[in-house]
Amino acid sequence: DTGVSQNPRHKITKRGQNVTFRCDPISEHNRLYWYRQTLGQGPEFLTYFQNEAQLEKSRLLSDRFSAERPKGSFSTLEIQRTEQGDSAMYLCASSLGREGPINEQFFGPGTRLTVL
Amino acid sequence: AQKITQTQPGMFVQEKEAVTLDCTYDTSDQSYGLFWYKQPSSGEMIFLIYQGSYDEQNATEGRYSLNFQKARKSANLVISASQLGDSAMYFCAMRARIQGAQKLVFGQGTRLTINP
Repeated sequence: DTGVSQNPRHKITKRGQNVTFRCDPISEHNRLYWYRQTLGQGPEFLTYFQNEAQLEKSRLLSDRFSAERPKGSFSTLEIQRTEQGDSAMYLCASSLGREGPINEQFFGPGTRLTVL
Repeated sequence: AQKITQTQPGMFVQEKEAVTLDCTYDTSDQSYGLFWYKQPSSGEMIFLIYQGSYDEQNATEGRYSLNFQKARKSANLVISASQLGDSAMYFCAMRARIQGAQKLVFGQGTRLTINP
């Protein structure tokens, strides 16, 4: 399978615990994005990497959230001291590192987080 | 700031009929791109079609076409000859076409149900 993969697909945790999600982009894509989608809403942008550099962060990404892409390949998103409001689907996407009108983002299946 | 509005929470259509999903947008950018994504129950966002703000012709991709009316700031998705497999959430999204801009801004989505 050559698409974007995310692990785990589902995560249930207790409030206050730390969680980490992984995203493996399409191999030739050097841009990687994280979005959060709450129930009944469209995805909201969290952050974006070009290779290993984190170039943009949303105000939604509080200091409890950290994202890394250490070697410009896979990425991890960590949430510390989870809160019930963090319950959502976390989507990862990747795209080619070229400028162009379309440059569409390819999405993974998401990680659904439930904080009890 | 960019904003996408999708005013139809749900649409119900008979199989083989055409359906139009509404999308209006707000932006102060002169150059931008508009996207439609499909999200089946599996959760993965699937890219359908793209329209650039300076494209003179409406985009088409198979059974999908985009009715782009720039003066009205609308970018409606038209699906011809609907199929049962078209049942899903549909999201309209925008990206500014300025150097470095990468994030997609999504609307709230429309849930399309195709009845046999």
